[in-house]
Amino acid sequence: EAEVAQSPRYKITEKSQAVAFWCDPISGHATLYWYRQILGQGPELLVQFQDESVVDDSQLPKDRFSAERLKGVDSTLKIQPAELGDSAMYLCASSLARLGGEQFFGPGTRLTVL
Amino acid sequence: QKEVEQNSGPLSVPEGAIASLNCTYSDRVSQSFFWYRQYSGKSPELIMSIYSNGDKEDGRFTAQLNKASQYVSLLIRDSQPSDSATYLCAVNMGGGADGLTFGKGTHLIIQP
Repeated sequence: EAEVAQSPRYKITEKSQAVAFWCDPISGHATLYWYRQILGQGPELLVQFQDESVVDDSQLPKDRFSAERLKGVDSTLKIQPAELGDSAMYLCASSLARLGGEQFFGPGTRLTVL
Repeated sequence: QKEVEQNSGPLSVPEGAIASLNCTYSDRVSQSFFWYRQYSGKSPELIMSIYSNGDKEDGRFTAQLNKASQYVSLLIRDSQPSDSATYLCAVNMGGGADGLTFGKGTHLIIQP
């Protein structure tokens, strides 16, 4: 069964360090999303890609977060420098179609910032 | 501010009964609605999508949408202990980009 892949599954870092998360969407899915989920809350969108282009990054804290999808397939989300408040689950999702298509999530990366 | 509201629960339902989960949303132009199930420490799993007014059934799950009332619900029939999880309502608010806006989730407990 096709799945969204993410790595690492867990990451512990100290504040001010740099961290990076990787996502490989379901094969053929042109739309890729990064969400952040704080414990007890629903996921919140950080950035959306259509192929290699950013469609929406209005909620991405651009002073410390960056995201890329250079070849329109896999994607990397980076945080530099990490802050204590960045501790959360970082979720990648992909969709076959834009404009309301079903989104399928990967297993997520649990980030702890000390 | 575009919002999705859910009762956080916990909602406790006896095994074999019908669990009813509710969600309201603020943006009238919303077109796509989803229910995800999330077990503790895991990622959300899509269980239902609904796009038009009325009911949509899939196995033990029924999603109901009323756009006029800005209300979407999920019914789980013959509830099982394995249904115990947090259920997230998600809405595509439209406007070009289609990232989902999620509620905080309802924690459902199925009592054996």
